[in-house]
Amino acid sequence: AQKITQTQPGMFVQEKEAVTLDCTYDTSDPSYGLFWYKQPSSGEMIFLIYQGSYDQQNATEGRYSLNFQKARKSANLVISASQLGDSAMYFCAMREGIDNFNKFYFGSGTKLNVKP
Amino acid sequence: GAVVSQHPSRVICKSGTSVKIECRSLDFQATTMFWYRQFPKQSLMLMATSNEGSKATYEQGVEKDKFLINHASLTLSTLTVTSAHPEDSSFYICSAKDPRQFSYNSPLHFGNGTRLTVT
Repeated sequence: AQKITQTQPGMFVQEKEAVTLDCTYDTSDPSYGLFWYKQPSSGEMIFLIYQGSYDQQNATEGRYSLNFQKARKSANLVISASQLGDSAMYFCAMREGIDNFNKFYFGSGTKLNVKP
Repeated sequence: GAVVSQHPSRVICKSGTSVKIECRSLDFQATTMFWYRQFPKQSLMLMATSNEGSKATYEQGVEKDKFLINHASLTLSTLTVTSAHPEDSSFYICSAKDPRQFSYNSPLHFGNGTRLTVT
């Protein structure tokens, strides 16, 4: 079974609007971390936001917030007030356990296009 | 923040030659680095985990003799694509975790990637 599922290959959003990128995960480990990365066309991977499995509150970082629904095993990324520079691929990732060297599993990504 | 540097950013080589890609942690010591491969418009596929001073751990289906990984120091891991062929053309990207950051929530820090084209 897929560890991380992103069901939206591509998304369009109007500039200044909010957009939600979906991510569901599969794990039986009670301790895990969920991460979102942005990959512009240049290729670098930019860390955006983190949510831990024991965190009681949804994570927020500036215009990024994470809608964490543990029972549904979903960790959707919400980008508020979209900007043209937000156009990129977005990857959801999970690390199971708390070992410092555990592998990260990545979803297939969502390509976001912000329209002016 | 933690910085990972990867070189070269682009390389074009002829079929049959070998190519070495370097991944350096600039401001921290990385006992473990991860090498990923990414095909166009696809996700990152973990190729191997590089451990300083020991053999790399390869993921299933990744040819050890084709993709040689050496992690000779705490700040440098190298990936050598041996006898490269056009099907090895891809985007290769390395990453590491900063051990100074609490492990539970510390992200992977990525290099900028290497775009390999084999002609």
